[in-house]
Amino acid sequence: EAGVTQSPTHLIKTRGQQVTLRCSPISGHTSVYWYQQALGLGLQFLLWYDEGEERNRGNFPPRFSGRQFPNYSSELNVNALELEDSALYLCASSFTAGGHYEQYFGPGTRLTVT
Amino acid sequence: AQSVSQHNHHVILSEAASLELGCNYSYGGTVNLFWYVQYPGQHLQLLLKYFSGDPLVKGIKGFEAEFIKSKFSFNLRKPSVQWSDTAEYFCAVNEGGSYIPTFGRGTSLIVHP
Repeated sequence: EAGVTQSPTHLIKTRGQQVTLRCSPISGHTSVYWYQQALGLGLQFLLWYDEGEERNRGNFPPRFSGRQFPNYSSELNVNALELEDSALYLCASSFTAGGHYEQYFGPGTRLTVT
Repeated sequence: AQSVSQHNHHVILSEAASLELGCNYSYGGTVNLFWYVQYPGQHLQLLLKYFSGDPLVKGIKGFEAEFIKSKFSFNLRKPSVQWSDTAEYFCAVNEGGSYIPTFGRGTSLIVHP
């Protein structure tokens, strides 16, 4: 069974630019979660999508946005990049029916903002 | 808001030593508890989880964790660590009914052969 995939692996952008990160969940999973993992800060929850809808968002500014497609894949968009956006962005997927809360993580996209 | 504390940020052990990593959370209601591990160069993956029942949970690779409700704790243990256990360990807590876990900041474990 294929795991969660993310693209690209690494990305270098300049402050003020925009970036799009992509995630494909495990087959059969309807929920996709996005996290930011900055050095020393653990995982900070960004966004949760389920069945194409944004269900919850973390304490991040509106320039962090995304969407989920009918095939349950997802995009994370970050506008007006700032230096502190440099981090590893992780995508995770899970079932949501029946109380299956376990999340399966992808390898992440390493974003560097210069 | 829910918070999760991992008190040990860096732990260095020799092989065969015993391991205990602390995890405390602040939510007073029903919780679901997880330990995730991130080996060097690999994905974050589930080590073990607690939803209900026996508070002593056994996971992969000889790890176990004990849920102590009165102490709001879910400490991870392993009686004898191996060099291959070198990794970053994250505790995560879902408030009852929530689909969004709160993660601790992680503990970096280095095991010397």
